[in-house]
Amino acid sequence: QKEVEQNSGPLSVPEGAIASLNCTYSDRGSQSFFWYRQYSGKSPELIMSIYSNGDKEDGRFTAQLNKASQYVSLLIRDSQPSDSATYLCAVNGAFGSGTYKYIFGTGTRLKVLA
Amino acid sequence: DVKVTQSSRYLVKRTGEKVFLECVQDMDHENMFWYRQDPGLGLRLIYFSYDVKMKEKGDIPEGYSVSREKKERFSLILESASTNQTSMYLCASRPAATYEQYFGPGTRLTVT
Repeated sequence: QKEVEQNSGPLSVPEGAIASLNCTYSDRGSQSFFWYRQYSGKSPELIMSIYSNGDKEDGRFTAQLNKASQYVSLLIRDSQPSDSATYLCAVNGAFGSGTYKYIFGTGTRLKVLA
Repeated sequence: DVKVTQSSRYLVKRTGEKVFLECVQDMDHENMFWYRQDPGLGLRLIYFSYDVKMKEKGDIPEGYSVSREKKERFSLILESASTNQTSMYLCASRPAATYEQYFGPGTRLTVT
């Protein structure tokens, strides 16, 4: 069973700090990696995608991918109380029929303390 | 902006009822997905479709069926609702050319 693992948290950080969220995956053949933010009672919202080893920055968010170690992380700089949410890691895996499906982690709950 | 809409935000049904959940996307995406999300279990794929009239079972298809008669619309059917199908149901869509998937607002279904 291909898996995506995340620490469930909660991860508590003070306002203005860097929040670091981590995710490991088991399928070495995975090629595409995503971070979703999900507020309580709402649906997941795509915030970052990364396909190559290294860092990808978008505003206050940086995604980091290390395929050799099979982990992907999300850094949130200058964390704000509005960043308090559950962050889901998703990995694209082959499904057959020439298409792909996502495998989701169960999410890390982030709390940013004002 | 990608827009994925679902027919209801909240739904309450009785055990044994046939339940229809509808999802519509306005971005001409080829791929559409139905998930359920439960505390501690995360998002689990029920069914997906990669083209009109095409469907594939996901990880937990038992007790569900789907229909995709038009490209923009993907319906999830609970043939005979049971209490263990109480959950948040999420529809998503994705174009064939990319891997970025977008979710609708979700339907919280309660079966009593």
